[in-house]
Amino acid sequence: AQSVTQPDIHITVSEGASLELRCNYSYGATPYLFWYVQSPGQGLQLLLKYFSGDTLVQGIKGFEAEFKRSQSSFNLRKPSVHWSDAAEYFCAVAGMDSSYKLIFGSGTRLLVRP
Amino acid sequence: GAVVSQHPSWVICKSGTSVKIECRSLDFQATTMFWYRQFPKQSLMLMATSNEGSKATYEQGVEKDKFLINHASLTLSTLTVTSAHPEDSSFYICSARDGGGTTGELFFGEGSRLTVL
Repeated sequence: AQSVTQPDIHITVSEGASLELRCNYSYGATPYLFWYVQSPGQGLQLLLKYFSGDTLVQGIKGFEAEFKRSQSSFNLRKPSVHWSDAAEYFCAVAGMDSSYKLIFGSGTRLLVRP
Repeated sequence: GAVVSQHPSWVICKSGTSVKIECRSLDFQATTMFWYRQFPKQSLMLMATSNEGSKATYEQGVEKDKFLINHASLTLSTLTVTSAHPEDSSFYICSARDGGGTTGELFFGEGSRLTVL
């Protein structure tokens, strides 16, 4: 069965520092991979996605993620965090069938120190 | 990007009443919509897949008679929480897949917070 693990429940970084949020997935083949961000009481916004091709994916708001098949990972990175990046981040996986059902990780809450 | 709208954004109801939440795709046709439930500080749990013109497919453990889903048109899916109880209080989020798209991207509504007294 598909699953997604985000090992860090919360992470605190200083504004301007670099960020890496971890995501590991379990799937029998190459899945579709996504990173979403959720502000309190809000829906989800797609940051980036990986379907195939270049394993380094660029997203919105200066985020990027790298798909590493050997490690079953899809970690999210940002070189310089802004205070407005404080939010909940979810990694998600979907099968390559036509259902596009997303399975979400447990989320990582990002706190940004001034 | 495509827009998915949920209504109401929040609702408070008495125990035993039924509540309907609407999910609309505003600028695209959604052949498939998904309903998720999110408890405070937790992840999103897929409840059901809603396909236009057919019965919804529920995930294991989700009561279909409790959470009625209707997807009568390509732009509207509704979730009705029947005979709501306090344990049904949660944040419900819908997502819709653009039937004309090729990337499989899902667009999410802003969520509906249900509080059952």
